Amino acid sequence: AQKVTQAQTEISVVEKEDVTLDCVYETRDTTYYLFWYKQPPSGELVFLIRRNSFDEQNEISGRYSWNFQKSTSSFNFTITASQVVDSAVYFCALSDRVDKIIFGKGTRLHILP
Amino acid sequence: GAVVSQHPSWVICKSGTSVKIECRSLDFQATTMFWYRQFPKQSLMLMATSNEGSKATYEQGVEKDKFLINHASLTLSTLTVTSAHPEDSSFYICSARGGQGDSREQYFGPGTRLTVT
Repeated sequence: AQKVTQAQTEISVVEKEDVTLDCVYETRDTTYYLFWYKQPPSGELVFLIRRNSFDEQNEISGRYSWNFQKSTSSFNFTITASQVVDSAVYFCALSDRVDKIIFGKGTRLHILP
Repeated sequence: GAVVSQHPSWVICKSGTSVKIECRSLDFQATTMFWYRQFPKQSLMLMATSNEGSKATYEQGVEKDKFLINHASLTLSTLTVTSAHPEDSSFYICSARGGQGDSREQYFGPGTRLTVT
């Protein structure tokens, strides 16, 4: 069975601090996709990244970076120099070959000014 | 990028009535559309998958007679909540996937907040 675990329910950091959101996944498929989405208070999901199971290279996009490690089944997300606008709920998700996306429970991130 | 819209963005209805939510892919043809439900402070749960022109596939525990899904065209899917009750109050989000290009890309709509009084 597929599963996504985001153990951190809620995190609060002071602005400009770095913060890492953890994501651990389970799947028996050798081909799969991992995602991160941001959900601000408006509710609309904002796509951040998609990574396929064959690409373990870390990715950096501005203040955002992702660390994919198949050995530990983890796909962690780091925000450097956090800003108040980063406050949101962040979902890690997993998709199998048939496109069904399984979402983690989300991590609510509070960036304090 | 691909755009998916939902209408209405929010709706309030009385218990026992039915409400229809539309999901449209604005600039691409969506061969497959997905409907998710999100209760307050909870995760998104897939309700059903619909392919254009065929019956929807519902996830375990989702009542197909209560949540009617119609994917009549390549740009439109509708979710009808029949005989709505307060426990159906939730945030409903659709996503759409095109048949060309990277088939794993799903584009999400902005969501519809349903409140049943």
